[in-house]
This record gives sequence, C-alpha cells and structure tokens, in this order.
Amino acid sequence: DVKVTQSSRYLVKRTGEKVFLECVQDMDHENMFWYRQDPGLGLRLIYFSYDVKMKEKGDIPEGYSVSREKKERFSLILESASTNQTSMYLCASSLRGVYTIYFGEGSWLTVV
Amino acid sequence: GDSVTQMEGPVTLSEEACLTINCTYTATGYPSLFWYVQYPGEGLQLLLKATKADDKGSNKGFEATYRKETTSFHLEKGSVQVSDSAVYFCALSLSYNTDKLIFGTGTRLQVFP
Repeated sequence: DVKVTQSSRYLVKRTGEKVFLECVQDMDHENMFWYRQDPGLGLRLIYFSYDVKMKEKGDIPEGYSVSREKKERFSLILESASTNQTSMYLCASSLRGVYTIYFGEGSWLTVV
Repeated sequence: GDSVTQMEGPVTLSEEACLTINCTYTATGYPSLFWYVQYPGEGLQLLLKATKADDKGSNKGFEATYRKETTSFHLEKGSVQVSDSAVYFCALSLSYNTDKLIFGTGTRLQVFP
C-alpha cells in the first residue's frame, strides 16, 4: 500500500515561530502536494511539486514556502506563523498521469 | 475559473436509506472527476473516479456518473450504513501531468441506526 506519512499529527506553535511540516511518501511518486483544510472552505492547494527541486504555487501560497530536495520528501515551511494559519494541513502524492492521489493523515496546527 | 460546487451538509439519514450528494462543476476543458471520503480523524481516501463523459465510477456500493451535459457528478448509494458516516469531497482535475485537484467544500454525512 502507498504510504504518505506526515511527521506530526498535532502541533502548537507561537505566533512568529518558524514551523516545519514534513511529509514523506514511499512509492516513488513524482507529484507531491500541500493542502490546507478549513471548515466551509474545503481543501485549498498551497504548493505542489512535480519533480525534485521543482515547485509551483497553488491557490493560497502567501505566508508559506516549500522544499523538495529529495523525491520522497516534501516540506511545508511557515516562515513566521500567524494565528490565521491555524488549520489542518494535508500532504498528498501521486504518480503522474494515473489520477490517483494519496493523502497523509493530516497535521493539526494551532498557532497561539 | 474552474470550480466545484457541492450541496451543503450535514446530510442526516437513517441506516438503509438512499443517499444522493449533489456535485456540479465548472471547467474550461475536459476534467477528470473524483469523490474522496474523509473518515473522522483521518486523511482523504479516493472513493471513485471518472475520467471522461458518461463514465460511471463505483466503489463500496457508491456510484457516480460523469454527466457532461449537466456538468454533474452526483454521488449515490442505495442503502447507507452507519460506517458510511464521513465527509465526502467532490473534486476535479484538469491536468494530466500534475494531478492538481480542485475540491468542493465537502458534505458531511451522518447515518444513524
């Protein structure tokens, strides 16, 4: 089975802190994604990457950056966390052209 | 722009009732369509998909038919179970290479015994 693993399920951070959310997939997928899930808004794409060191902005990239140094790992970085970034963050990966995206279990981030 | 609209929830049903969750889309090209399910405390799982008009996706008793003429992809199940209680997301993808998904806002289903 494909496994997408997010390093932390629950985090509490202070305003202004730098936050790293890590995601690893074990199926050699080219594509990786970071989504944010909020009630009433569904899932919104923050960034995605279709290859190592390649990245593209999604719909809501402001306040976030990403890093993909290795194919299996895709990191989301909050440079200076703010309370409006309190949310559930979902990582996902897919094999190009297969139209099946696999999601991790999510990371609940609270910024106080 | 491209978008997905789902009926608002929650949808509350008794066990063995019929389920329909409406989903319509707006897209400039020819999207692939998906239903994802999120059980409490978990990430999303692909439930079913359809990649061209008139295709029917099915899985676990759920079905959805890609209707190009009405730009719809409604999710149906003939007899729901308590274990079907979850949030259901309709989504579309226009990109063959990157699999970028555009999601609806989700519909919560609650099934009572």
